[in-house]
Amino acid sequence: DTGVSQDPRHKITKRGQNVTFRCDPISEHNRLYWYRQTLGQGPEFLTYFQNEAQLEKSRLLSDRFSAERPKGSFSTLEIQRTEQGDSAMYLCASSLVEQTNYGYTFGSGTRLTVV
Amino acid sequence: AQSVSQHNHHVILSEAASLELGCNYSYGGTVNLFWYVQYPGQHLQLLLKYFSGDPLVKGIKGFEAEFIKSKFSFNLRKPSVQWSDTAEYFCAVRGNNRLAFGKGNQVVVIP
Repeated sequence: DTGVSQDPRHKITKRGQNVTFRCDPISEHNRLYWYRQTLGQGPEFLTYFQNEAQLEKSRLLSDRFSAERPKGSFSTLEIQRTEQGDSAMYLCASSLVEQTNYGYTFGSGTRLTVV
Repeated sequence: AQSVSQHNHHVILSEAASLELGCNYSYGGTVNLFWYVQYPGQHLQLLLKYFSGDPLVKGIKGFEAEFIKSKFSFNLRKPSVQWSDTAEYFCAVRGNNRLAFGKGNQVVVIP
């Protein structure tokens, strides 16, 4: 499979617990994005990386959220001390910055439910 | 910052009917526009995109969109929908190194 892979597909956690999601982008893509999507809304930008550098973080990304892309390949998104408001679909996308006339390829997402 | 407005969030229509979904964007820079589709249980897929040139863009599955710069619009159309077009449709504008999405249109096609 040469698409964007996300793991796990579903995660149910108790409030206050920490969770970590993984994203494996298309191998030659140097940009990786995290988005969050809640019911009835479009995806909202959280952060993006170019290679291993995290270049921008949205104000939506509170201090409880941290993302890494240590070797410029896969990325992880960690949420500490989860709250019910964190329940959402977390989407990862990747692109090749040199392909300026191309869209982003999205993964299937990780659905987080905080109970 | 860029933004996108989509109206008529819920659309119900019968097979063979025509579909038009409105999209208005706000962005001061060079405009790259997209329509994505999300079928039930599946990931976001690119339907079509506009970067430059012919403002009438043709995409997959018989969809097309027209970029009207003076109206800041990028409306999506399909002349005759099928049951398999039941999905959520998102318009997006690229700027500032990210895509900004609208809230989406939930389209249900009744056989």
